[in-house]
Amino acid sequence: TQLLEQSPQFLSIQEGENLTVYCNSSSVFSSLQWYRQEPGEGPVLLVTVVTGGEVKKLKRLTFQFGDARKDSSLHITAAQPGDTGLYLCASSERNAGNMLTFGGGTRLMVKP
Amino acid sequence: DVKVTQSSRYLVKRTGEKVFLECVQDMDHENMFWYRQDPGLGLRLIYFSYDVKMKEKGDIPEGYSVSREKKERFSLILESASTNQTSMYLCASSLSNMNTEAFFGQGTRLTVV
Repeated sequence: TQLLEQSPQFLSIQEGENLTVYCNSSSVFSSLQWYRQEPGEGPVLLVTVVTGGEVKKLKRLTFQFGDARKDSSLHITAAQPGDTGLYLCASSERNAGNMLTFGGGTRLMVKP
Repeated sequence: DVKVTQSSRYLVKRTGEKVFLECVQDMDHENMFWYRQDPGLGLRLIYFSYDVKMKEKGDIPEGYSVSREKKERFSLILESASTNQTSMYLCASSLSNMNTEAFFGQGTRLTVV
């Protein structure tokens, strides 16, 4: 199973600051998904990136897929308390029947 | 509204008990997953099913088994619960296509005492 490493593991920032979290693998991703999980809930999909070099924006969130498709980043501009949560990257492997595996997650806290 | 429903939000069981965690989805999805979530470890895949009666081991299948007799239902079974199986258990489902979204239940927090 593909190993996904996320960094940092924890991040605590003030409202209005910018931040970037990372997801890396030693092997090439066929595609990558980013999920956000709030306390007491299951993860919810934010975005899927498929093409090397791809950039997708979701309001203040910018997702980038590395050119070599071995890494991805999530950048949040002007973070707000509502962005607090656990951010997870995930990939599925075609040769494993589309089995979906997750990284360890980045726990973000945005303080007002 | 699409839905993945887990039978219990909270469960307390004794060491050695047989435990059943049930998951039902109403989206006619082919794929269903069971994960456990522990602090700092993210979501670790226990078992995956891509069709009725079909299953694949994930990263941590030891101590668990699964059953998928109907497309909408995927059960996780702890044959003999142990304290190291205390965790949050999350069920998910998805279509069989690549890059498709996984939908999650709200989780079952299991405590084994």
